[in-house]
Amino acid sequence: RKEVEQDPGPFNVPEGATVAFNCTYSNSASQSFFWYRQDCRKEPKLLMSVYSSGNEDGRFTAQLNRASQYISLLIRDSKLSDSATYLCVVNGNNNAGNMLTFGGGTRLMVKP
Amino acid sequence: DAGITQSPRHKVTETGTPVTLRCHQTENHRYMYWYRQDPGHGLRLIHYSYGVKDTDKGEVSDGYSVSRSKTEDFLLTLESATSSQTSVYFCAITPAGQGFEQFFGPGTRLTVL
Repeated sequence: RKEVEQDPGPFNVPEGATVAFNCTYSNSASQSFFWYRQDCRKEPKLLMSVYSSGNEDGRFTAQLNRASQYISLLIRDSKLSDSATYLCVVNGNNNAGNMLTFGGGTRLMVKP
Repeated sequence: DAGITQSPRHKVTETGTPVTLRCHQTENHRYMYWYRQDPGHGLRLIHYSYGVKDTDKGEVSDGYSVSRSKTEDFLLTLESATSSQTSVYFCAITPAGQGFEQFFGPGTRLTVL
């Protein structure tokens, strides 16, 4: 089983739609969770951290369910510019290096 | 902008040749990382560093070595490049006081023929 699993997609949605991605992780000791966005042929960029209480940043809402070990990302009112790959990221259980484990990514395509 | 540059940005080389990739940062970050990204595998950690001359192996370190003689530079060396090392290589840093968040350089696209 992969440490961080995501549906690779692609998710094809029309502009204005609401879309949700889920991600599951295997390490129950993980403490930090993130969503990164990666555009084609570019570096990953931090979209948002995910907190236990859930958090929102504009059209984006992230939630964490520790009991079921999954993380979600909700995008409301999708824009063409939201088209990208979204990476679920979890910190590992280690004593050095602040190591992160990346999911394979979910591809989103927003159509006009 | 995390203040990270990578060089070269693109390189084509032949099997068996040595290759060194450079990651340069300007803000004295302590933690630096090298990843490779391949279709179907996502980002995988090669090596990381937690200070000058302090480095350790990641998940896919075989065939790679690193050096960090100055805070600002983290070098990744492929001693004898193989076609399986064709990949996109990303350098990342963790700013002090920001927990586990990592910020990435623009990447180096390496092709080994």
